[in-house]
Parts: sequence; structure tokens; C-alpha cells
Amino acid sequence: GQNIDQPTEMTATEGAIVQINCTYQTSGFNGLFWYQQHAGEAPTFLSYNVLDGLEEKGRFSSFLSRSKGYSYLLLKELQMKDSASYLCAVRDSNYQLIWGAGTKLIIKP
Amino acid sequence: DTAVSQTPKYLVTQMGNDKSIKCEQNLGHDTMYWYKQDSKKFLKIMFSYNNKELIINETVPNRFSPKSPDKAHLNLHINSLELGDSAVYFCASSQASGFGTEAFFGQGTRLTVV
Repeated sequence: GQNIDQPTEMTATEGAIVQINCTYQTSGFNGLFWYQQHAGEAPTFLSYNVLDGLEEKGRFSSFLSRSKGYSYLLLKELQMKDSASYLCAVRDSNYQLIWGAGTKLIIKP
Repeated sequence: DTAVSQTPKYLVTQMGNDKSIKCEQNLGHDTMYWYKQDSKKFLKIMFSYNNKELIINETVPNRFSPKSPDKAHLNLHINSLELGDSAVYFCASSQASGFGTEAFFGQGTRLTVV
């Protein structure tokens, strides 16, 4: 079966750095997405990786290792507004998005 | 301008009723989706649809049916609602089922069956 694993919850301090990990086993691979979802709202797109390596976009970076079935989302200079759930999703061989359950990130002052 | 809009935002109804959720996208995308997000927060694909093909998740009961009057709309009809149907339903769209095409989501419809 297909599976996406991420930690259920993480806590970090405002101004710090946090890394959210995602491991996956899917039928084929056509890219990995990270989304942010604030409580009661829709998921919004953060980043996309299809080749190994690091993609940087402002305070957020995402890393992919296809051989390890592993990705992480790195958030720098954390702000209170970064408190949200972060969803990892993999596009499989049928171009369907397979979603993890999300990691709830709690930012403390 | 709202890219993907769905209505209603909240829906409370009794078991056994039939209801519909509407979705419209103004992005010119050719593929639309319906997702269900349950209490465990998993996003599960229910349907994906473009001009050519409807892909149905085989685990979705046939009480659920998508209706697409045109490329910009994909409505969700639910017959004989059950308590277990309570969840948040998200509509989404993307440019194509290809590389690097992220999905844009509607605001969600919180369905409560009582």
C-alpha cells in the first residue's frame, strides 16, 4: 500500500528553526509537495520537489532524497503566524496526490 | 477574486437526506478534485475529473456522485446521508495532471450529519 509518514505534532520557539520530516512509500514518484493548512482553512501550496536536493523559498526550504523516500520542510525565523498544520503529499505514478495526515506545528513565544 | 469557491461553507443535515455541494474555479484549470478530510485530518481523494476522464476512488460509496456541467464546475451530490459522512469536504483544481502542478483548494464545506 501507499503510505506517507510525518510526526503528528511539533513545538518550536518564535525566532527559531524547525525541521518537519516526511517519509513516503508510493507506487511511483512524480513529485513531492508541501502545503500549509491553518485551522479551519484550506491547504495552501508551499513548495514542490521532483529532483534530489534543496529548494529554497524565503524562510521556507524543502529537501528531497528520492533514494531514501524522504523529504523535510525547514522553517527559519519562526513567526507566530507559522502555527499551522504542514501536509506532505506525493504524486504517484497515476499522478494522484497521496497525502500525509499533517504535522501540527505549535509556535511558542 | 476567489480562485476556487465552494458553497455552502457549513452544512448541517439529518441522516437520510440528499444534499449537494457546489464548486467553481476561475483559474482555467482543466482538472478538478473532491477531497474528504476526516477527524484524523487525512486528506483523501474522492474524485478527480477533467474533460476526458472521471477517476473515482473505489472506496467512495456510490451515494456520492460528481456532476460537472462544464470545465469550471464540479459539484458533489450525496444521497442518503449517513453519520459517517460528517467531515470537511474540499474542492480543488490544477492545471493538468502533470509535473509541477500544485492544487488550489476551495475554503472547504464542513458537513455535519445528525
